[in-house]
Amino acid sequence: GAVVSQHPSWVICKSGTSVKIECRSLDFQATTMFWYRQFPKQSLMLMATSNEGSKATYEQGVEKDKFLINHASLTLSTLTVTSAHPEDSSFYICSARMEREQFFGPGTRLTVL
Amino acid sequence: AQSVSQHNHHVILSEAASLELGCNYSYGGTVNLFWYVQYPGQHLQLLLKYFSGDPLVKGIKGFEAEFIKSKFSFNLRKPSVQWSDTAEYFCAVNRDGGYNKLIFGAGTRLAVHP
Repeated sequence: GAVVSQHPSWVICKSGTSVKIECRSLDFQATTMFWYRQFPKQSLMLMATSNEGSKATYEQGVEKDKFLINHASLTLSTLTVTSAHPEDSSFYICSARMEREQFFGPGTRLTVL
Repeated sequence: AQSVSQHNHHVILSEAASLELGCNYSYGGTVNLFWYVQYPGQHLQLLLKYFSGDPLVKGIKGFEAEFIKSKFSFNLRKPSVQWSDTAEYFCAVNRDGGYNKLIFGAGTRLAVHP
């Protein structure tokens, strides 16, 4: 149990376009999901906390207008990278909270050309 | 600000050697502690967790960790590593009953040579 999926697993896009990444909790409901960014050989950096039915809470330094988060249901949160640029290329990982634990998705590798 | 420190960034061991990875956190309140592993090309997997009770926690694949409250530490150990333990290991902490965000350490890259 407690499986989290992400789609797509990888995406390549042109600079200036927008990319949407989905995070789903497959066998449980999650009122809270989290979005992380991981640069090569580095740790996970929390970008934002996504709460079902309300606005996301962004970490300091994360542009909310650039990284749009929507948590429209108890099993789905989406992260949209708007007007993507090469510096947005990274590995994006989501997690879904169940009680006191977070369960992580497999990640989405975004490459912006 | 709350932080998590992992002292060893890179560790190289031979098979059958013992492993201990350090983790210290800075928050003084009630915390929940986790160790995650990320195998090459794979996603994060939970190795073990501590919420309360016995400070010596046993996890999967022969790993264990000990919570020492007085030292704000949660070190990961394994008595005999295998080549398949080659991975990156992350310590993480959250506070206030576990409903808040996880703070991750920088990670330790472990390479085990046969």
